[in-house]
Amino acid sequence: LAKTTQPISMDSYEGQEVNITCSHNNIATNDYITWYQQFPSQGPRFIIQGYKTKVTNEVASLFIPADRKSSTLSLPRVSLSDTAVYYCLVGAKNAGNMLTFGGGTRLMVKP
Amino acid sequence: KAGVTQTPRYLIKTRGQQVTLSCSPISGHRSVSWYQQTPGQGLQFLFEYFSETQRNKGNFPGRFSGRQFSNSRSEMNVSTLELGDSALYLCASSLAEGAYEQYFGPGTRLTVT
Repeated sequence: LAKTTQPISMDSYEGQEVNITCSHNNIATNDYITWYQQFPSQGPRFIIQGYKTKVTNEVASLFIPADRKSSTLSLPRVSLSDTAVYYCLVGAKNAGNMLTFGGGTRLMVKP
Repeated sequence: KAGVTQTPRYLIKTRGQQVTLSCSPISGHRSVSWYQQTPGQGLQFLFEYFSETQRNKGNFPGRFSGRQFSNSRSEMNVSTLELGDSALYLCASSLAEGAYEQYFGPGTRLTVT
């Protein structure tokens, strides 16, 4: 499983765009990049998954450069309700590997 | 479609007792995984079940066990509870075995006194 490194915490203000970068230097050819969001005392919620270039859904965008050694989760115009911990995971899509959560990035959105 | 449900939501047990937690996956999902979350260790994988068979197991002692029924519902059991077992226990379901897109339940908050 590829090891991931992401900032421990980030602060932002309402209405701003937030970009959280994750480093995964030893990503394997068949690995996907997946992001989860977790609010206090709740289970994590799947946000987005991608393999290369850019993926966008109604919640976020995921940017993956050509070398795939890093990825950036972009949250447009955050609100207070986006305050949560965001986890970056890297691994094969359906390879029987259990999810390995690192420390995540604690995002604090301020008014 | 109903989400993943876990019962009970909160539980208080005494050291040495045993506990059984239940998880009902999203309809149609055949894979169920269990995780333990504590402030010190973060989210840790316990085990995964698919088609009533344990497919993967994390690095936890044998006191932690689980099973899956034919309707995909799953239970996990912890015997001889220790204070360090106090945690949020999360269940997640997915369509495929080992899928990275998993759907988590709200968790069971276990407190061991």
